[in-house]
Amino acid sequence: AAGVIQSPRHLIKEKRETATLKCYPIPRHDTVYWYQQGPGQDPQFLISFYEKMQSDKGSIPDRFSAQQFSDYHSELNMSSLELGDSALYFCASSLLSNPEAFFGQGTRLTVV
Amino acid sequence: AQTVTQSQPEMSVQEAETVTLSCTYDTSENNYYLFWYKQPPSRQMILVIRQEAYKQQNATENRFSVNFQKAAKSFSLKISDSQLGDTAMYFCAFLLAYNNNDMRFGAGTRLTVKP
Repeated sequence: AAGVIQSPRHLIKEKRETATLKCYPIPRHDTVYWYQQGPGQDPQFLISFYEKMQSDKGSIPDRFSAQQFSDYHSELNMSSLELGDSALYFCASSLLSNPEAFFGQGTRLTVV
Repeated sequence: AQTVTQSQPEMSVQEAETVTLSCTYDTSENNYYLFWYKQPPSRQMILVIRQEAYKQQNATENRFSVNFQKAAKSFSLKISDSQLGDTAMYFCAFLLAYNNNDMRFGAGTRLTVKP
């Protein structure tokens, strides 16, 4: 069965650079979520989209933005990267009618 | 605001034995979902089991079962016949029924299954 695909799996960036993380949800899923998991921490909700519209916002810094495209894939854009942005970034998808969220394998971002 | 508490940072169990991971949550809402996610060393997030708050019957998935006590706001995970592959971080998660967008996780419990 198709799962949530995230790319890249690993990313190394320097401070003040920009990073773009991509997420391809499970086909026919209408909701996408982004989570940030710092080292040794639980996942923190960043932002979500339902039917290509932003539906909720969590603890997402102003330096970050995201969008969902017509093909339902989503991108998380991170600018002016800081060392503290180093984390595992998860994308998850679900159907609004079914709260069961399926997670991608995550993108490990390292800011040096 | 909803909060999830996992009071056991680390636990260990012998292979083939049973272990229970604790989770409590705080909410004033009545309709919600609870989940247990497993995060193995690969760091992938894998859904283990889910419980709808309106269901009194405890959810069961093979060797995994929960003890859902709604009045006490408790949602523990029991792993029977523990296997080495169960070694992982386990996160308890809470989701409001009317807002699918903000799943709240506990701090996690690191479970080690010993041979």
